[in-house]
Amino acid sequence: AQSVTQPDIHITVSEGASLELRCNYSYGATPYLFWYVQSPGQGLQLLLKYFSGDTLVQGIKGFEAEFKRSQSSFNLRKPSVHWSDAAEYFCAVGTNDYKLSFGAGTTVTVRA
Amino acid sequence: GAVVSQHPSWVICKSGTSVKIECRSLDFQATTMFWYRQFPKQSLMLMATSNEGSKATYEQGVEKDKFLINHASLTLSTLTVTSAHPEDSSFYICSARDGTGVIYEQYFGPGTRLTVT
Repeated sequence: AQSVTQPDIHITVSEGASLELRCNYSYGATPYLFWYVQSPGQGLQLLLKYFSGDTLVQGIKGFEAEFKRSQSSFNLRKPSVHWSDAAEYFCAVGTNDYKLSFGAGTTVTVRA
Repeated sequence: GAVVSQHPSWVICKSGTSVKIECRSLDFQATTMFWYRQFPKQSLMLMATSNEGSKATYEQGVEKDKFLINHASLTLSTLTVTSAHPEDSSFYICSARDGTGVIYEQYFGPGTRLTVT
């Protein structure tokens, strides 16, 4: 069965510093991978997605992610975080029946 | 494009009453809609999948008589929480899949906060 692991429950980063959120997936075939962001009390906003092609994917808000098949990973990065990046981040993989399987999420806190 | 709305955004109801939540795709036809439940500080838990014109498919452990889902048109799905109790208090999020787009891509609504007193 498909699954997603986000090893980091909570990350604190200083404003202006770089950010990397880890995501590992378990899937037999070529995965469809997503990163979503959720602000408190809000729905999910798609940051970026990977279906095929270039393994380095650019998203919105200055985020990027790299698909590494050998490591079953799809880590999210941002070179310089802003206070507005404080939120919950979810990695997800598309499953056989067109559903999404989400990781547990990583809470990002940005300190001034 | 690909906007999904939910109504209401928050609702408070008394124990024993029923509450209906609407999910609409505003600028595309949603062949499939999904309903999720999210507890505080937790991930999204898929409750059910609904396809237009057919019965919803519920995930294991989700009471279908408790959470009634109707997907009567390609732009509207509703979730009715029947005989609500305080333990049903949660954040409910819907998403929709565009039948003409990438099959795994889902567009999410802003969520509905349900509080049962």
